[in-house]
Amino acid sequence: EVQLVESGGGLVQPGRSLRLSCKASGFTFGDSAMNWFRQSPERGLEWVGFIRSKSNGGTTEIAASVRGRFTISRDDSKSIAYLQMNSLKSEDTAVYYCTRGRRDWGQGTLVTVAS
Amino acid sequence: DIVMTQTPLSLSVTPGQPASISCKSSQSLLHSDGRTYLYWYLQRPGHSPELLIYEVSSRFSRVPVSGVPDRFSGSGAGTDFTLKISRVEADDAGIYYCMQGVQLPYTFGRGTKLEIK
Repeated sequence: EVQLVESGGGLVQPGRSLRLSCKASGFTFGDSAMNWFRQSPERGLEWVGFIRSKSNGGTTEIAASVRGRFTISRDDSKSIAYLQMNSLKSEDTAVYYCTRGRRDWGQGTLVTVAS
Repeated sequence: DIVMTQTPLSLSVTPGQPASISCKSSQSLLHSDGRTYLYWYLQRPGHSPELLIYEVSSRFSRVPVSGVPDRFSGSGAGTDFTLKISRVEADDAGIYYCMQGVQLPYTFGRGTKLEIK
């Protein structure tokens, strides 16, 4: 059974950094593109970015709203995808989800940016 | 960015009755590869979104758990799409979202809340 478990969320001050992790199981992680989405009452569901599989270059695409502040990486040996978030702003407050492609979603982790 | 517009914002349906949700995109979702990248998700209260329909009309099957019931069907082309539930059940309550995957950034509709009477 496919499982995606996000972790690393929490309360963080504006301008600080946070790294989210997404631990995957139940499928061949290295063959899969991994996305990050987020959801807030103000902005609804929003795509954050994705990382391609190594066989497809392992490159990333990042939404304009977070480009230059957020990066995505992966460790195929551990079946983990990461979302590194720097220079956090209050508008980054949301539940963050990782997904396998556009199909399987994790349970989400809440990030709150506030002083 | 492609704008996704869903209607209605909410609907209340009696069990056993049909339901229909519309999703319109500001640009065609037909990709040069011939596929149309329109997805439907259901987010039940307190849960993450789950995929129901991909590429307009294909019901998602999450082996080995179960597939999406055939009460759910998707249709449409170009910029106009519809999700239909032939006979609503209590478990169908939640917020339904359409999403386009033809162009980055992927974008979602604002959602349609389905309430079961």
